[in-house]
Parts: sequence; C-alpha cells; structure tokens
Amino acid sequence: DAKTTQPPSMDCAEGRAANLPCNHSTISGNEYVYWYRQIHSQGPQYIIHGLKNNETNEMASLIITEDRKSSTLILPHATLRDTAVYYCIVFSGGSNYKLTFGKGTLLTVNP
Amino acid sequence: EAGVAQSPRYKIIEKRQSVAFWCNPISGHATLYWYQQILGQGPKLLIQFQNNGVVDDSQLPKDRFSAERLKGVDSTLKIQPAKLEDSAVYLCASSLVYPRSSYNEQFFGPGTRLTVL
Repeated sequence: DAKTTQPPSMDCAEGRAANLPCNHSTISGNEYVYWYRQIHSQGPQYIIHGLKNNETNEMASLIITEDRKSSTLILPHATLRDTAVYYCIVFSGGSNYKLTFGKGTLLTVNP
Repeated sequence: EAGVAQSPRYKIIEKRQSVAFWCNPISGHATLYWYQQILGQGPKLLIQFQNNGVVDDSQLPKDRFSAERLKGVDSTLKIQPAKLEDSAVYLCASSLVYPRSSYNEQFFGPGTRLTVL
C-alpha cells in the first residue's frame, strides 16, 4: 500500500471548519483513501473513504485531487469533541483488508 | 449494538512474566484483528483472523506472542515472556467481510494498556 504524509499537528477554532491534508503521491489506481480518527484513550474510529470522487457523510467530507496524489478531510463545524489524532490511510482492498496506520495528525480544537 | 469488548483495561507486570488479553468482537463479525500501539505511534497490526483461521501474522513476534480464536468468535492474545518494549496499548478490532468491495470499516475496542516493569 502507498505511503502517506500528514502534518504532525494542527489547531482549529471551535465552530470553524477543520481541513486536514494528506499527501499520497505514490497512490496507485486501485487504492482507496481512508480516514480514521482516535480520540484520547479510545480505539480508532472510521470516518470516511473514497477512490477519486469527493465523498460526504454525516461526519465529514473527503476531497481528493484530480491526480489523486493528495486529499483533504474536512470537518465542517469542528467541536471540542473532534480533538483527536486523524489517520489518513491508503488501502488497496484485497483479501486481507489490512490497514497500515502512520502517526497521523493531532487536531486540537480550541474554544 | 454492543461494541468490541476487551479485558482487562489495564495490566502491570514485571518483565519475563506472562500476560493474556481477551477480546469479544461484534456479533457476526468474521474478521478479528489485534493491534499493538506504542505511545506516540499509530496502531500496528499484529495478527488478523478470518473466522478461526489466521490471514496475516507477519508482524507477530512469534517467539513470545501467540493468539488464538478457537471457535471463530472471541480471541486471546498472549505474551510470554514479556519484555520492557512490549509496554503498549493492545487494541482488538473486528469487521464484516465485504468480498470484492473497498469497504473496510473496522470497529475497535477500548484497548488494554500494558505496562511492563
């Protein structure tokens, strides 16, 4: 699976949009971009995934560039409960459904 | 629905002792994962089961770590003997199987925090 690069930390004001970037310049055509987050002292939680089209669900939006070499996770109205480590993962599927987590981005939402 | 259950939540042992962790996945989930998360790092997959068969154990230190899922439901992970570097959070996750699908939502338990002194 392709490697991802994320900033180690970001800050965001409560109520504002949080935009978390991820670079995955070596992504191949059959690889998906997944996002998980991990709130302190909890296990990771699935957020969203996509291939090449932008995706939106009740938690977030995922914007993937046309060349698919980078993506942005958008939390439209960040709350204090969104403070967490956010992981961007490239996943090719296949028979073993293996996810490889990096260090992620620590998003701190400030009041 | 009930989530992934893990016990114990915390464990402190001395090096060279043995320890076991237990996981009960979400009902109906065929796939079960054990991850090790060292402080400041992302989770690292140790072993993956589908039903009671091992799919991937390439990163499991087999000289000291073992895992089983005898009836294809709950699972135990054992460390014997423990080393200082085994201090970490051990996470269990489960998922359904979606053949020929990109969808892979893994549901994680709260983890067991192991401290080896």
